[in-house]
Amino acid sequence: EVQLVESGGGLVQPGGSLRLSCEASGFTLRSFSMNWVRQAPGQGLEWISVIEKITDGKYYADSVKGRFTVSRDSGRNSLYLHMDNLRVDDTAVYYCARDLRPTDLQEAFDIWGQGTMVTVSS
Amino acid sequence: AIQMTQSPSSLSASVGDRVTIACRASQGIRNDLGWYQQKPGKAPDLLIYAASTLQSGVPSRFSGSGSGTDFTLTISSLQPEDVATYYCLQDYSYPFTFGQGTKLEIK
Repeated sequence: EVQLVESGGGLVQPGGSLRLSCEASGFTLRSFSMNWVRQAPGQGLEWISVIEKITDGKYYADSVKGRFTVSRDSGRNSLYLHMDNLRVDDTAVYYCARDLRPTDLQEAFDIWGQGTMVTVSS
Repeated sequence: AIQMTQSPSSLSASVGDRVTIACRASQGIRNDLGWYQQKPGKAPDLLIYAASTLQSGVPSRFSGSGSGTDFTLTISSLQPEDVATYYCLQDYSYPFTFGQGTKLEIK
């Protein structure tokens, strides 16, 4: 079965760090661009990061640039999001999502994890 | 960053109604737009990509249209299981951006 499973969420103090993991099964994670999307409580979706297939290009939303780092480990078939200098407004459910990229010019987030909750509070 | 504006923010309709949700981009994005459905407590699901291509397994009552700056998601005959929040996502350029969402309820 093709699926993504996130882990690593929890409670952290403002200014702290956390690393989220997203383990893929049923497909080779390295063959796809992979994204992180978050959702604050009661709010909408916010795209925050991508690591592109082949090129390993990494892009971020302005709200997390300089504080968050996306990476992957092909051996573990896993995606990571390292979050530093966390703020109260980073509190959210964090989802990883696979980009199917049906053609070179099309994006489609077809597989999503169940999400992991990050709470930033003192 | 490209701003995505959805309308309406909430919508109540009857079973069998035709429902339309709009999404407008702050600049032209060709047809680089997807629509996602999110039910309470669940991860989003892909409905449509490239503005009008139906994802495999999605019921044919869902359709998308538009190009440039104006896009539409249409449900031809609303079903009870369509109660959800719907989001558009521009994937034309980084940072990708979502619309603020449209919450759809049954009247």
